[in-house]
Amino acid sequence: TQLLEQSPQFLSIQEGENLTVYCNSSSVFSSLQWYRQEPGEGPVLLVTVVTGGEVKKLKRLTFQFGDARKDSSLHITAAQPGDTGLYLCAGAPTYMIKAAGNKLTFGGGTRVLVKP
Amino acid sequence: ETGVTQSPTHLIKTRGQQVTLRCSSQSGHNTVSWYQQALGQGPQFIFQYYREEENGRGNFPPRFSGLQFPNYSSELNVNALELDDSALYLCASSFDRQPPNYGYTFGSGTRLTVV
Repeated sequence: TQLLEQSPQFLSIQEGENLTVYCNSSSVFSSLQWYRQEPGEGPVLLVTVVTGGEVKKLKRLTFQFGDARKDSSLHITAAQPGDTGLYLCAGAPTYMIKAAGNKLTFGGGTRVLVKP
Repeated sequence: ETGVTQSPTHLIKTRGQQVTLRCSSQSGHNTVSWYQQALGQGPQFIFQYYREEENGRGNFPPRFSGLQFPNYSSELNVNALELDDSALYLCASSFDRQPPNYGYTFGSGTRLTVV
């Protein structure tokens, strides 16, 4: 069974501060995705990292995939109230389930609150 | 391009009853996955449907069952509802041949409350 652990579970910061969310596993993933979820909505894909050591930037958000493809981090620079939400990491297994798609394993999420 | 739509948005059921949740996948997507998200937790994989057949299942009992129709829409059925079934049920659609970086498109979910 593949498990993803996210830390911290909850983060409350002031506008303008930086924050980092971690996603760790003992399993290797073929790719890792980060989603953000607002209350009452489904998760929305932010980015997918595929290659070990890969770094991707999305405006003030920086995503990194570990060299061994077992862990990932999300760093937000100069956080804004609009960054508030539940951040979820999700890993795709290295094996394919039959013909189509991959079952995603989600972490427990990190709830981020950015206060103005 | 329409996104993933789920119905109903909210539902209250009594313990022991049965419920059917519906999902219309995004245009061009042929694979539907269902997830259960308990309050304060990440989504848990229930099962996936591809070409109208179950294509992988998570650690959920047989009273959780599903269907996929020729138009790729899907249903999730839960029999003999228990209080712990109270959760947000998410449907996600994807295309079997899409590149890994495309991810899933999720619906807004159905909030099920079992009393």
